[in-house]
Parts: sequence; C-alpha cells; structure tokens
Amino acid sequence: GAGVSQSPRYKVAKRGQDVALRCDPISGHVSLFWYQQALGQGPEFLTYFQNEAQLDKSGLPSDRFFAERPEGSVSTLKIQRTQQEDSAVYLCASSLGATTVYTQYFGPGTRLTVL
Amino acid sequence: AQKVTQAQTEISVVEKEDVTLDCVYETRDTTYYLFWYKQPPSGELVFLIRRNSFDEQNEISGRYSWNFQKSTSSFNFTITASQVVDSAVYFCALGGNNRKLIWGLGTSLAVNP
Repeated sequence: GAGVSQSPRYKVAKRGQDVALRCDPISGHVSLFWYQQALGQGPEFLTYFQNEAQLDKSGLPSDRFFAERPEGSVSTLKIQRTQQEDSAVYLCASSLGATTVYTQYFGPGTRLTVL
Repeated sequence: AQKVTQAQTEISVVEKEDVTLDCVYETRDTTYYLFWYKQPPSGELVFLIRRNSFDEQNEISGRYSWNFQKSTSSFNFTITASQVVDSAVYFCALGGNNRKLIWGLGTSLAVNP
C-alpha cells in the first residue's frame, strides 16, 4: 500500500471492555512500532517488532496491553479490561530497517475513548 | 538519558511572517539522528526531515530550513513566508543507539490569514 493504515480510526469502549487495534505497515517494511499519544503530548513508545519478533515491549504500560505481528506484516495491539487512562491516540509506524537510521512513517492513528 | 525539549508550546503568526521552532536535545550517544514531524489537525504524523549527528550542514527545502548546531545541541526549524496550511503541531524527535524515538512535547503553530 501507499502508506501505513490503521483501523478503526475511532473507537469508543466502555470501561472493562477489550479492544483490538489494527496496523497495516508499508509493504516491505521490516520494523513496526506502536506509540501512545495523550492529548497535548508527544508520542510515547510502546513496543517494537522486527518482522514477527517483538524485540522491545518496555513501553507497554501494563500487562493489559498486548501486541502481536504473527506473520511479520499486519500487527494488532490489544488492550484488555480498558481503563479511562487508556484513552489516547494509538499510532503505528513502520520503517525499512531496524534502527533509527531508518525513518519511521506513521499511520493516521486510532483515537480510543474509554468511558 | 535522552531528552528533547521544545520550549515553545504555542506560536501564533500572521501569514507571510517567518517563524522559527526551537528544539534542544540531550544525549550521550555519539551517533544519533534528529527528526522533525508535522502533525496537522487530521492527526497523522508527517515526516519532514532526518539529520544524522555527523552532518551539521544546514538544509533548505522550499520554504523550510533547518539549522543543526552540535555545540548548542539544537536543531531548529524555520518556516519562511508562513502560510495558513503550515498550521499544525510540529514535533522534534531524537533517535540514538536503540530503536526508540524520544519526542518533544511539540509546538503548536497557528498561522493566521
């Protein structure tokens, strides 16, 4: 595809519900990143994949957050038992390579609102 | 520790004015990369420029220019003859030896007609 796509663009969940956010990276991009962006803040790193391997998940805020990329392409970020503090924009980015030598290209984000 | 500071939270200018967005960074890495991204109201982060730590040459792209100075750990961004379409939040980010990007809090630029 032409760019990184994410779905859904908007998600409203009741507290305690599980949600799944999808990311389709640019074709051929090895690396995939998830970020969380709170209102008025810069993006905060959540996790990183190189192909199907999750090499860094140090930014995941709790064990309610889980990400996968089983075939090294599409990735899903799952949040279990959502809380109000999970409300944010979740951004996905992909890049050709594994380090910050390579530019990260971002999708439009999924705005999650937890009521 | 790595850190990016964008001291200007909000800037408001009138169309055709020049405007400079400041970015100061901290890192102990000898090799690092600096980025600017634009985030318009639609929300998507748009890549503008990447600069590596060994290249201090200034760069110009149309109305955009960047001034990288290692001596002051700054990577400032200037928009010449600003336009309403330049209205957005602009983020400066730092990438080092790991894969993470460290982001500033962003500068919200409003260009008024």
